[in-house]
Amino acid sequence: DQQVKQNSPSLSVQEGRISILNCDYTNSMFDYFLWYKKYPAEGPTFLISISSIKDKNEDGRFTVFLNKSAKHLSLHIVPSQPGDSAVYFCAATTGRRALTFGSGTRLQVQP
Amino acid sequence: DAGVTQSPTHLIKTRGQHVTLRCSPISGHKSVSWYQQVLGQGPQFIFQYYEKEERGRGNFPDRFSARQFPNYSSELNVNALLLGDSALYLCASSIREYNEQFFGPGTRLTVL
Repeated sequence: DQQVKQNSPSLSVQEGRISILNCDYTNSMFDYFLWYKKYPAEGPTFLISISSIKDKNEDGRFTVFLNKSAKHLSLHIVPSQPGDSAVYFCAATTGRRALTFGSGTRLQVQP
Repeated sequence: DAGVTQSPTHLIKTRGQHVTLRCSPISGHKSVSWYQQVLGQGPQFIFQYYEKEERGRGNFPDRFSARQFPNYSSELNVNALLLGDSALYLCASSIREYNEQFFGPGTRLTVL
């Protein structure tokens, strides 16, 4: 049973436009959510996180939105840059311990 | 500053063999977690250790075991390898068990 789902395996956007990556979860005990970016031959790199007591968190070009009632979160990247091309993983945790990851979305930003 | 390091980078084994993967955390980090990433999927939690004690275990068979040493480095051991154990094994370290996790580059294990 997948507790964290990323239903879009890939996404392609033009440079300068907004990238929106989506993630759904089923476990209502999750209280902390994270986004990681992964380049080939590297480990996942932490991008941004949000606690379940918030509905939005911003860090530069990256914003994460959390809709608890819908058990849905999204990552917005504005403006998108070619260097953002990578696989993005959504992850969730209870008590900030073991991370439960989604299957990832491959983002391609076209110059 | 050195990040999380893992060795070896790549490994090829045959079914039934045993494998040991190693991880050195970021200096000052006392917690290490192990994840398995099968091709096309997200990383799946295997173990978490903090101060040399197991603090969490994922849904993996007893063939998987791990330990953490006094210098906070860690080993992941897998016995009786199966073809399905072929994956990227990721190690992550954090200051304490509740803090942000930093990942190493992983060890690519191929079981033939």
